[in-house]
Amino acid sequence: GENVEQHPSTLSVQEGDSAVIKCTYSDSASNYFPWYKQELGKRPQLIIDIRSNVGEKKDQRIAVTLNKTAKHFSLHITETQPEDSAVYFCAAEVKNAGNMLTFGGGTRLMVKP
Amino acid sequence: GAVVSQHPSRVICKSGTSVKIECRSLDFQATTMFWYRQFPKQSLMLMATSNEGSKATYEQGVEKDKFLINHASLTLSTLTVTSAHPEDSSFYICSASGFALQETQYFGPGTRLLVL
Repeated sequence: GENVEQHPSTLSVQEGDSAVIKCTYSDSASNYFPWYKQELGKRPQLIIDIRSNVGEKKDQRIAVTLNKTAKHFSLHITETQPEDSAVYFCAAEVKNAGNMLTFGGGTRLMVKP
Repeated sequence: GAVVSQHPSRVICKSGTSVKIECRSLDFQATTMFWYRQFPKQSLMLMATSNEGSKATYEQGVEKDKFLINHASLTLSTLTVTSAHPEDSSFYICSASGFALQETQYFGPGTRLLVL
C-alpha cells in the first residue's frame, strides 16, 4: 500500500513570506498527487495537483514540484496572505485501487499579518 | 463543475438511534464515492469506498454492519450509522470521483455528528 509523510505539522510565517510544505510517498507506481486546503469546519478543497509526467506545476501564487526519483513532492505558496491560513493536506494515488488516495497528516499554516 | 453536496450538515441524536447521511454529486456522474471520518486536528481517515451498484469496500477496522453504505445511483451514496454511540461522534466527509475527473476526488461539506 501507499504511505504518505507530511512535514511540517505546523508552519507559521509572516504575511508576504513564502511557505513550503513537503511530502514523501512510498509507492513508486503512484502517478497522481493532489493538494487540498481545509479551513476550519469546512470541506477539503483541491488547490492544485500534479501528475508524474511533469516535474512542476504553477497556478498564480501556488506551485507544486515533484521528484519521482526521490519520491517526494512539495507545495510552495509565495506572497502569503492571512486567508492562506488553513490546514493543507497532500495525497498520493493508491495504484490499482479505483482512484483511492492516501493522505498525509496535514500541515497547519498560520500567516501572521 | 464537480460539486458534491452532503446532507445533513450537522445532526444530534440519542445513543442507540440510527443516522443516515447522504452524499450527492450535483453536476457529474460519480462512479466512485469515498467516506471519510475526521477527528479534530487530524487527517482524513478513509472508512470505505463505494462503487455504483456494488457492495462497498471497507477499510480494516471499520465495522461494515455499523456503518452501512449504499451507492444506488451514479449521483447518490448514503452512509447509515446504526445504533450510534457517543464514540461515533465525529465529522464525516464524503468525496466523489467520476469518469470525466480521472483520479481527482471532490469533497462534500461534511456532516458533524454528535451522539448524546
